[in-house]
Parts: sequence; structure tokens; C-alpha cells
Amino acid sequence: DAGVTQSPTHLIKTRGQQVTLRCSPKSGHDTVSWYQQALGQGPQFIFQYYEEEERQRGNFPDRFSGHQFPNYSSELNVNALLLGDSALYLCASSLFLGGSSYNSPLHFGNGTRLTVT
Amino acid sequence: GQQVMQIPQYQHVQEGEDFTTYCNSSTTLSNIQWYKQRPGGHPVFLIQLVKSGEVKKQKRLTFQFGEAKKNSSLHITATQTTDVGTYFCAGYPQLENAGNMLTFGGGTRLMVKP
Repeated sequence: DAGVTQSPTHLIKTRGQQVTLRCSPKSGHDTVSWYQQALGQGPQFIFQYYEEEERQRGNFPDRFSGHQFPNYSSELNVNALLLGDSALYLCASSLFLGGSSYNSPLHFGNGTRLTVT
Repeated sequence: GQQVMQIPQYQHVQEGEDFTTYCNSSTTLSNIQWYKQRPGGHPVFLIQLVKSGEVKKQKRLTFQFGEAKKNSSLHITATQTTDVGTYFCAGYPQLENAGNMLTFGGGTRLMVKP
């Protein structure tokens, strides 16, 4: 049973460039969330995808966009990269539980370490 | 927007000592989750608390959810070197327009001296 897989593991880009990060969720999961984690800080919520639509968005600019495919995998795109975008990008999958007061735990991938020079 | 704060940021303990990290949210939470991230790793789910005043135990770890559902704590009894890592609390707000946004605290980094 494969867990959450992310690619690539590391990436070095130059300011102004664009980047695409990929995520395959854990088998059986239908929801994908993306987080940005700067060094020494907690993960910051970027957005969440469910049924191929962006269901929730955090406080990130429109340079950050995403997509979810019919097989539940997801991509995170960042345009016009800034030095401050250097971080670990974490993908987390979960199962939508509808109106339950419980939320399915997030299963994280190992992340993509993005360095912008 | 919702903010989740954790204290302390860092804690050094001698192996065998106890450890506690505290979590406070600026808004009422529908539930709270705790995660552990080992150095160089990714966050791993530990537990979820839903009910006001709930207390749950996992071996040497005790988790508590406050009566007002705005704060939580994690207590580790008799720490071991395997407890090393950063502990994050993360909460879902009781807000209609943000109910799917799991917000993480800044984490408490635990270091254990053998």
C-alpha cells in the first residue's frame, strides 16, 4: 500500500521561473492538501483539492495554483518565483468524511525541497 | 485569520524528564490534531481530539483538549531519545468558510540528552 509520493525530491530554480510539483495520494484517499514549510516553522496551508476543485485556499498569492486529476493526483504550480518561495513543499492526502465532526488525519509525503536562487 | 500558537519553541530535557507543549488557537476549534516531525522527515499523525475537555493517552503521551476548545496540550512522561522531534498541534476552525483548512502551530522542538 503506497503512501503519499511526491516528485521531485529537490529542485533548484532561478527567480522569475515557474515550477510544477507533483503528488500522488495514499491509496483510497480522495483529498489533497498542499503546505509550505519554511525552515524551523510549521506547515502553512496553501490550498486543498477535492473532486478536482479547489475547496479551500490559504493566504497565498495567485502565483500559487493547483490542479487535481481524476485519479486524485495533484500538481502545485508556482509562477514568477521569488527568493522567499524557497521552502519544503508538503503534499498531504486524506479521505473526505462529509459532515462528521471527525476529520481524516493527513498523510504527508516526504516533500519537495525547492531552492530559489 | 485563524492563528495557532505553541510554546515553548524549543525544549532541552535530560532523558527520563517529563515534557509538555502547549497550544493556543485564536478561534474555537472543531477538533485538534497532533503531529510529530522527526529531523529531516515529514509530519506524522499522532492523535485527534474532538470533545471539549477530552483527554487521551498513548503510552507515555497524554493529550488534552481544553474546555473552550481553544487550547490543547501534549505531555510526555519520562522522555526517551526516540521522542526527539518537533511536535505540532493543528486545528480545524469552527468557521463555515474555513472548515477544511487545517492550521498548524509553529511547533515545539524537543531535544533529549541521553
